[in-house]
Amino acid sequence: DAGITQSPRYKITETGRQVTLMCHQTWSHSYMFWYRQDLGHGLRLIYYSAAADITDKGEVPDGYVVSRSKTENFPLTLESATRSQTSVYFCASRTSGGRNTGELFFGEGSRLTVL
Amino acid sequence: ILNVEQSPQSLHVQEGDSTNFTCSFPSSNFYALHWYRWETAKSPEALFVMTLNGDEKKKGRISATLNTKEGYSYLYIKGSQPEDSATYLCAFTPRAGNNRKLIWGLGTSLAVNP
Repeated sequence: DAGITQSPRYKITETGRQVTLMCHQTWSHSYMFWYRQDLGHGLRLIYYSAAADITDKGEVPDGYVVSRSKTENFPLTLESATRSQTSVYFCASRTSGGRNTGELFFGEGSRLTVL
Repeated sequence: ILNVEQSPQSLHVQEGDSTNFTCSFPSSNFYALHWYRWETAKSPEALFVMTLNGDEKKKGRISATLNTKEGYSYLYIKGSQPEDSATYLCAFTPRAGNNRKLIWGLGTSLAVNP
């Protein structure tokens, strides 16, 4: 099906474990983004990618790693999960062009709990 | 520090009421203003993107206006329906700096009672 999908939708892990959240989009959008959403904060950008093999830090990148070997995939890895990384993570994509006036298409979110 | 503020934080209205809420942003550094609708248990969906002072956009019963000189945007919902219940987010694209990043407000949570 066309769209943007995230997996897993729910994940419980322990402190210190490595966790990877997957994001896949079928539109061939150039830009992809990872956000986290926490109470009392607006959506905060973790990392983004302008194209395959091009990634850049957002507001809160510490503790996260991303890669973009293929246009359609943008996995987010927590190398050593901490409790402060308990959050809901949203992946989003948009087309290229313009100066960020294109709409974002969001995945359904991945709820991560770090015990 | 770039900041986006939305008010009110939450709102309860009766079905059929019209309502509006506000998004404030730095007027001195404006490039674009986005509105998104976020239903519970779903993902945010784009409503409008506005770039010009005085812009008005409309989608069905929902409309938005933009005042870049004073740094605010209003979102209006005419004749609210229960299916309008959602959180309405605005996001700001600054002119300076990395314009790939959106700065998000905390949202206005709207509940429409039948």
